[in-house]
Amino acid sequence: KNQVEQSPQSLIILEGKNCTLQCNYTVSPFSNLRWYKQDTGRGPVSLTIMTFSENTKSNGRYTATLDADTKQSSLHITASQLSDSASYICVVRSYSGGGADGLTFGKGTHLIIQP
Amino acid sequence: NAGVTQTPKFQVLKTGQSMTLQCAQDMNHNSMYWYRQDPGMGLRLIYYSASEGTTDKGEVPNGYNVSRLNKREFSLRLESAAPSQTSVYFCASSVLAASYNEQFFGPGTRLTVL
Repeated sequence: KNQVEQSPQSLIILEGKNCTLQCNYTVSPFSNLRWYKQDTGRGPVSLTIMTFSENTKSNGRYTATLDADTKQSSLHITASQLSDSASYICVVRSYSGGGADGLTFGKGTHLIIQP
Repeated sequence: NAGVTQTPKFQVLKTGQSMTLQCAQDMNHNSMYWYRQDPGMGLRLIYYSASEGTTDKGEVPNGYNVSRLNKREFSLRLESAAPSQTSVYFCASSVLAASYNEQFFGPGTRLTVL
């Protein structure tokens, strides 16, 4: 069964510090991996989409990495800001399996930035 | 350009009542989706519509029905609401239900069934 595991479940850091969120998956065959940011009370918003050939992808202060061999991805946030407080969801797409839409969603990491 | 819109934003129902959640997108996307999000769980697909005129069951379709009214609109109906359907419901759309296409999500409908 396709699975996406995220760690940690929750994280509290001080404003200005960096942090890294982890995503391990057992989705096969792999198509792409997405990171979403979900603010409290809002819908998820896409940060990055990566295929197996892309090792690193950046979106401003967000940098996602992908190791397709070990089936691991990370999302690194640089110089955190209060507005980074949100849940970050890792989603993996398979060419088959997963949901009917081919997507397997992680449960998310809840990040809190403290002033 | 509003993106994906959902109505209502909040709803409280009694067990056994029915209601329809509305979703519309103005991005000319072909594919639309309904998900539910529960505490401690990832988003779960209820139904999706790969293109106008087609609908397919997702992971948790029981107790729900959908209608793809036209290319813009995709509604979700609860015929007889149950407390287990208390959740946050998200509608999403994408150009195509395939591969690299990014999904755009609506703001959600928070439903409580008493």
